[in-house]
Amino acid sequence: DAGVTQSPTHLIKTRGQQVTLRCSPISGHKSVSWYQQVLGQGPQFIFQYYEKEERGRGNFPDRFSARQFPNYSSELNVNALLLGDSALYLCASSLGGGLDEQYFGPGTRLTVT
Amino acid sequence: AQSVTQLGSHVSVSEGALVLLRCNYSSSVPPYLFWYVQYPNQGLQLLLKYTSAATLVKGINGFEAEFKKSETSFHLTKPSAHMSDAAEYFCAVGYSGGYQKVTFGTGTKLQVIP
Repeated sequence: DAGVTQSPTHLIKTRGQQVTLRCSPISGHKSVSWYQQVLGQGPQFIFQYYEKEERGRGNFPDRFSARQFPNYSSELNVNALLLGDSALYLCASSLGGGLDEQYFGPGTRLTVT
Repeated sequence: AQSVTQLGSHVSVSEGALVLLRCNYSSSVPPYLFWYVQYPNQGLQLLLKYTSAATLVKGINGFEAEFKKSETSFHLTKPSAHMSDAAEYFCAVGYSGGYQKVTFGTGTKLQVIP
């Protein structure tokens, strides 16, 4: 079975632009979580979606939004990009909405110039 | 509020030596604790998870961790380091609050010297 997939792998954007990152969970998994990992730091929780509804949100500004589709794939949108948004964005999928084991994708490396 | 502190951003061990990576947690409710490993340019992989069952948790690749409530610690150990263990290791804490908000530590890079 395929693992968690994310696209694109790398992305370069300019300050002020908008970006959309995509994630496909493992087949059968209904929950997707998004994390931001700044270089040299641990991942920081952004969102969790379960059964297409937001279940949790981390301490991120409203410029960050996400959604989950009927096939359980997910998109993370970031508006009005700042230099500080440069990071590795990780998607993780799990079976349920609680603290089930999370399976991480390889991430999308976003660089904002 | 929950948090984890990983002592030592870099740890070096000789091949065959004991690996000890330290993690202390802070949580106002009974925690769930995790250790993840991240290889360069890859996502995270779960090594092991503590969920209030046995205090000694065995994980993959020969790693184990012991939950010590009195010390608020969850240190990761492996009796004999292998070159393939060189990676970054993250301790994380969560709680059964209904969703997946997991708080990660800042990570420890493990170097294995031949």
